[in-house]
Amino acid sequence: ETGVTQSPTHLIKTRGQQVTLRCSSQSGHNTVSWYQQALGQGPQFIFQYYREEENGRGNFPPRFSGLQFPNYSSELNVNALELDDSALYLCASSLGWGAGNTIYFGEGSWLTVV
Amino acid sequence: AQKVTQAQTEISVVEKEDVTLDCVYETRDTTYYLFWYKQPPSGELVFLIRRNSFDEQNEISGRYSWNFQKSTSSFNFTITASQVVDSAVYFCALSESSNTGNQFYFGTGTSLTVIP
Repeated sequence: ETGVTQSPTHLIKTRGQQVTLRCSSQSGHNTVSWYQQALGQGPQFIFQYYREEENGRGNFPPRFSGLQFPNYSSELNVNALELDDSALYLCASSLGWGAGNTIYFGEGSWLTVV
Repeated sequence: AQKVTQAQTEISVVEKEDVTLDCVYETRDTTYYLFWYKQPPSGELVFLIRRNSFDEQNEISGRYSWNFQKSTSSFNFTITASQVVDSAVYFCALSESSNTGNQFYFGTGTSLTVIP
């Protein structure tokens, strides 16, 4: 167990709604990143937060947004949900923000959009 | 183009057999990092190993071993004497120094089933 915790574990939303997913990083880790994993696929990088600012973003539209708090915990917000947003959302934390830092994952939040 | 390719979608082996999971990567960076993660049905990705581009020494950890070959851009993972608990999806990932931040590029994973 890594110490990265996520909530909720499962949720169902209706298309067009908004969702907030939460993540607590491992103790001592100041960097949080979020990944989307569709069924049968590898995780896709959404963005990374360091010192409460986004410092890296993958190929996701602006309706995917995030926050990082002073205690390094983080939120992922998705607006105007689409059916294709149904996926496992994984939060990961690391000791540093630079390339090559090992990231440690939580168990994820399973989102179903109907 | 896919930066990390795991050509084997599914593999089944009988317990105690050895199995190798293939990973081929693509990058223009001279400094980069490679990782392997294990994902059991619970969903959490479990870190297995990290390797930087300047360290081609193979590594062994118990029944696990990794073969890094820059000449073929491969970072293969071998499980010796497989066990039922090894059944999971295994992902290879790449982190490039040229990126802002620490974006990981994951392959599509190899689902390993170990049959008792």
